Amino acid sequence: QQPVQSPQAVILREGEDAVINCSSSKALYSVHWYRQKHGEAPVFLMILLKGGEQKGHDKISASFNEKKQQSSLYLTASQLSYSGTYFCGTERDNAGNMLTFGGGTRLMVKP
Amino acid sequence: EPEVTQTPSHQVTQMGQEVILRCVPISNHLYFYWYRQILGQKVEFLVSFYNNEISEKSEIFDDQFSVERPDGSNFTLKIRSTKLEDSAMYFCASSVGQPQYEKLFFGSGTQLSVL
Repeated sequence: QQPVQSPQAVILREGEDAVINCSSSKALYSVHWYRQKHGEAPVFLMILLKGGEQKGHDKISASFNEKKQQSSLYLTASQLSYSGTYFCGTERDNAGNMLTFGGGTRLMVKP
Repeated sequence: EPEVTQTPSHQVTQMGQEVILRCVPISNHLYFYWYRQILGQKVEFLVSFYNNEISEKSEIFDDQFSVERPDGSNFTLKIRSTKLEDSAMYFCASSVGQPQYEKLFFGSGTQLSVL
């Protein structure tokens, strides 16, 4: 069962912040975040494991609330290079090998 | 950084024909995947492969699809009788360990067009 992402699209000016949410109706074991530029392959950003993790990566960070079965990706002081489509991927248990992606959030950062 | 390599980058075929998409995963990786993405849409899981057998597959991965690791380096996806709706970008990916814990490395994809 695929996770649900919101919003579907975001337009920002450089320097503005954004939050992308990912939620599931099923219990989650881990959450991945990827960014895909137009015409390219998805590129890994970070992975969060159950246990209420928070991670940071430059000005991009994420949290995982396993009780709420959701994760959020935080983009602060956005740069033009942040433009692309962001996908969360979820794994439901610690034995499966089926990373399922959400529908994506298209982010456009304008000068 | 090591890369997942996919060939060809573009494949055009007639409906009903068989196609084989090829991938060379990163050499020390143990888990292999195929995903597809219809233009502008989500990345859909097809199949995962570990220890020379299918580990998981989605509903999309029906009898028309098969995967193989014919030697120590290649990982292939075969579509036996292509349909118009099979037109999509197909991504191969690999990971050093289980996806619960390890990131996936994606290849640059094969754009399949079924006419």
